[in-house]
Amino acid sequence: EVKLVESGGGLVQPGGSLRLSCEVSGFTVSSSYMNWVRQAPGKGLEWVAHIYVDETTKYTDSVKGRFTISRDNSKNTLNLQMNSLRTEDTAMYYCVRDYVVQGGFFGSWGQGTQVTVSS
Amino acid sequence: EIVLTQSPATLSLSPGERATLSCRASQSVAPYLAWYQQKPGQTPRLLIYDASNRATGIPARFSGSGSGTDFTLTISSLEPEDFAVYYCQQRGSWPRTFGQGTKVEIK
Repeated sequence: EVKLVESGGGLVQPGGSLRLSCEVSGFTVSSSYMNWVRQAPGKGLEWVAHIYVDETTKYTDSVKGRFTISRDNSKNTLNLQMNSLRTEDTAMYYCVRDYVVQGGFFGSWGQGTQVTVSS
Repeated sequence: EIVLTQSPATLSLSPGERATLSCRASQSVAPYLAWYQQKPGQTPRLLIYDASNRATGIPARFSGSGSGTDFTLTISSLEPEDFAVYYCQQRGSWPRTFGQGTKVEIK
């Protein structure tokens, strides 16, 4: 069974940092295309970051230079280091695996971890 | 960045009725468009990928069509569990983008 469990969210002041983790089971992160997708309270979905199998990364413009997506193959986890956080980064952050039949779409989702940026 | 515009924002229908949702892209995404369903308090579920292919386990009442810039999600006969928010998403180029969503509510 494919399972993704996020952790690391919380309340942080503007300018602060957080590190999100996503522990997966039922597959290996090293052989999967992985993403972080976020959803602000009462709002729509926003793709944030992607990591390829070869560890090439992609980011949405608003987080470039502030967020870093990475993975730990030994722990089978996906990470998101978030620095210089802004109030507009407040959202539920989901760890998402690309759909195995066709990459580029989002097939398996974790339950999310809440990030709140506020003074 | 490719902007996806969904219409209508809200669709009020009764169970058994047909639902037609639209997604228009600011430039061609070829067939590289997906549809998701999100119910309150739940994570999104992939319904349709590459415009017209149903994802694993998705009922046949859900169908997708379109190419280029204009796409449609059709629910042939609404079941009570289909009342939710629906999002389109493109993988034609980076960044991946979503539409703003269409809420299908009970009339």
